[in-house]
Amino acid sequence: SYELTQPPSVSVSPGQTARITCSGDALPKQYAYWYQQKPGQAPVLVIYKDSERPSGIPDRFSGSSSGTTVTLTISGVQAEDEADYYCQSADSSGTYEVFGTGTKVTVL
Amino acid sequence: EVQLVESGGGLVQPGGSLRLSCSASGFTFNTYAMAWVRQAPGKGLEWVSGIRGSGDRTYYIDSVKGRFTISRDNSKKILDLQMNSLRGEDTAVYYCAKVGDYGDFDFWGQGTLVTVSS
Repeated sequence: SYELTQPPSVSVSPGQTARITCSGDALPKQYAYWYQQKPGQAPVLVIYKDSERPSGIPDRFSGSSSGTTVTLTISGVQAEDEADYYCQSADSSGTYEVFGTGTKVTVL
Repeated sequence: EVQLVESGGGLVQPGGSLRLSCSASGFTFNTYAMAWVRQAPGKGLEWVSGIRGSGDRTYYIDSVKGRFTISRDNSKKILDLQMNSLRGEDTAVYYCAKVGDYGDFDFWGQGTLVTVSS
């Protein structure tokens, strides 16, 4: 089955930049999306179509894509950005959706 | 304002059945695909099933094929998930999600907990 691989954790000091990668063989062919999830809450979409930001999402969140890897970048990290982050995409056929393994972002 | 409200979760014995529902409002329900996503305790997100806006096509993760059935009533703006032959590994919070214009899950419900245990 198709898998999207993320690092388990990323630690960053306030004001610094956090980068979270997501790797998958079908990413050159399928859009990627990113979600933020805080404890006890439903996920929130922060990036769609690899690099687009939904309305209401701060511009410190950005996305990029290169080959089989997509990256979520949080510039000028704030304490409120501490959360779990998941990438999501479809398999090569576009039929089945898959979430990444998830990355816990800790703000030091 | 888009709102998705799940209901129907609870405690069920292994082999039992449960029906989850998601009531939608704030958007033209019949023009958007919908999905169920679950999250086992302390684990990551897992897409479970999806259904097109018209209801004519449905999709399932392999582990629930033949046991779960997704359906929708566009006149009532309700999304359902019928879960049969439940197993311990189905224990999770189940989220209803709206599929956006680009395949993203742009809005989520608050989730409903399903616990499969004897």
